[in-house]
Amino acid sequence: QVQLVESGGGVVQPGRSLRLSCTASGFNFRTYGMHWVRQAPGKGLEWVAIVSRDGGSQYYGDSVKGRFTISRDNSKNTLSLQMNSLRPEDTAVYYCVKENSEYFFDYWGLGTLVTVSS
Amino acid sequence: EVVLTQSPATLSLSPGERVTLSCRASQSVGSSLAWYQQKPGQAPRLLIYGASYRATGIPARFSGSGSGTDFTLTISSLEPEDFAVYYCQQVTGWLRTFGQGTKLEIK
Repeated sequence: QVQLVESGGGVVQPGRSLRLSCTASGFNFRTYGMHWVRQAPGKGLEWVAIVSRDGGSQYYGDSVKGRFTISRDNSKNTLSLQMNSLRPEDTAVYYCVKENSEYFFDYWGLGTLVTVSS
Repeated sequence: EVVLTQSPATLSLSPGERVTLSCRASQSVGSSLAWYQQKPGQAPRLLIYGASYRATGIPARFSGSGSGTDFTLTISSLEPEDFAVYYCQQVTGWLRTFGQGTKLEIK
């Protein structure tokens, strides 16, 4: 069965960096686009970034553009999110998400909490 | 950026009732719209994609319709486990956006 397991969350000071990882299993990882979606405490869902199947294309939401970098390693079935210049408003649960062949989000990880606070 | 507006923000209903949730896009997204259900402490679950296709394992009481800018999610007869937050989401090229959500609560 499909599994997506995030790691790397924690408490970080404003302006610092953090790297999230997601390990995927149960499907052919290299044949699907992958995303990060986040949810601030008590708030709605916000799409963060997408990386293409081969890792050659990346796109970002406006609020993280220029600060976050999404990447993937198809040899290790892993997805990553490098987060720089973190702000308090980046505090959220970050979900690793697989898209289906119709480009919608069919599998989600359990999420990892990132707290940006001094 | 395509903005999705969901209405209403909150609905109070009883089990057995029929409910229709609305999602309006700021520009046409064709049929590139999905609906998700999220319960407290859980990740979202895909219900409907392509505006009207039920995802794997989703009960037939859930149905989606619409195209262009106006979409609806209908639950024909509410079960106790359906009380949750519902989000719509669109696909435009590489970009994705979500609506702000509709909370379905027990009356």
